[in-house]
Amino acid sequence: NAGVTQTPKFQVLKTGQSMTLQCAQDMNHEYMSWYRQDPGMGLRLIHYSVGAGITDQGEVPNGYNVSRSTTEDFPLRLLSAAPSQTSVYFCASRQGIGRYGYTFGSGTRLTVV
Amino acid sequence: GENVEQHPSTLSVQEGDSAVIKCTYSDSASNYFPWYKQELGKGPQLIIDIRSNVGEKKDQRIAVTLNKTAKHFSLHITETQPEDSAVYFCAASKGNTPLVFGKGTRLSVIA
Repeated sequence: NAGVTQTPKFQVLKTGQSMTLQCAQDMNHEYMSWYRQDPGMGLRLIHYSVGAGITDQGEVPNGYNVSRSTTEDFPLRLLSAAPSQTSVYFCASRQGIGRYGYTFGSGTRLTVV
Repeated sequence: GENVEQHPSTLSVQEGDSAVIKCTYSDSASNYFPWYKQELGKGPQLIIDIRSNVGEKKDQRIAVTLNKTAKHFSLHITETQPEDSAVYFCAASKGNTPLVFGKGTRLSVIA
């Protein structure tokens, strides 16, 4: 049981490049979310999904895309990387209705130069 | 939407002393309040949580209290140890909405 797996752990991008951050969970959790963590800003919600085929925007969605074609996977796409997207990205999942505790991945540290 | 304020941003305590971190929330409909611990280079890990129908919950050296009237909740760590040093986050949510996090408290336990 691996929990929530994020890849890659580190990435450097040039401004304007695109990439996909991968997130997979093996706990059959319905809910999955992406957060970004910046110094002094806590964890801010980018996008979330309440089940396969359903996604919604969070607090800071601009510049990011998500899709949820399977229960297990919830990739985050950066369309055209900007220095403001330099951050640590965390994927989290939890069970469905009535189960609130999130399990977090170990994060992806992204630098955009 | 929900807004969670967390204080203090940094906290230093002597080993064996108690540590208290406080959070306030804005949405009176919020009903779930977890606390997460984040060690360096790792993702946040749930350490304790409380629902709105409970005023206090304890788990060994960790306790959380909730005051719904004042819309604040607190994390209490007793008999602190060096391994308690980390960043702690509070969060709030209602129903099945996503968690809204505070900005974190960096706790340092000095041996």
